[in-house]
Amino acid sequence: EIVLTQSPATLSLSPGERATLSCRASQSVRSYLAWYQHKPGQPPRLLIYDASNRATGIPARFSGSGSGTDFTLTITSLEPEDSALYYCQQRSSWPYTFGQGTELEIK
Amino acid sequence: EVQLLESGGGLVQPGGSLRLSCAASGFTFSSYAMSWVRQASGKGLEWVSGVSDSGGYTYYADSVKGRFTISRDNSKNTVHLQMNSLRAEDTAVYYCAKGSTSLGIAEAWGQGTLVTVSS
Repeated sequence: EIVLTQSPATLSLSPGERATLSCRASQSVRSYLAWYQHKPGQPPRLLIYDASNRATGIPARFSGSGSGTDFTLTITSLEPEDSALYYCQQRSSWPYTFGQGTELEIK
Repeated sequence: EVQLLESGGGLVQPGGSLRLSCAASGFTFSSYAMSWVRQASGKGLEWVSGVSDSGGYTYYADSVKGRFTISRDNSKNTVHLQMNSLRAEDTAVYYCAKGSTSLGIAEAWGQGTLVTVSS
């Protein structure tokens, strides 16, 4: 099973700043990595798939990069609504696995 | 608009069974793989099971293999998760998710249904 490790565990930033979230895989997942945003009481929302492709309706402020074992989700010009848990997820091999999440707080 | 509506959750005793259903609309259901993903309270997300567009291929996490069965009815636009021999650790919100170009990209999610396994 591929283990995904996200860092940092929590991130506290101000509106307008840039957030950089990391995800490291225990073995190569090629580019088969996605990012999801999860707010309390709501289902997760797909942000990025295959490392760098924005899902439908996702603002350009969200971008993804990386391949192999190291990936980054960047959120520019942070807004209060960006407060959420962010998960990475690999589909390189079954079982598909998620990271443990990064909690982003907008101060 | 894609809509996924889960049902069938509830309280069940350890060792019992439940059948979750997910009614889909707003897309050509038979063209997409479907999955169930769960989240226990205070825990992260776990991909529990998936089924290909035709239903011919199914996938299970080791934690549920042999106890859960995923199935789909393309004539009724529904996907089911039959859960047997339930354990306390199966307590979670279960989400139905629509695949994208791949089973492994969950591009749309239902609101979730809560399963509680407790005596």
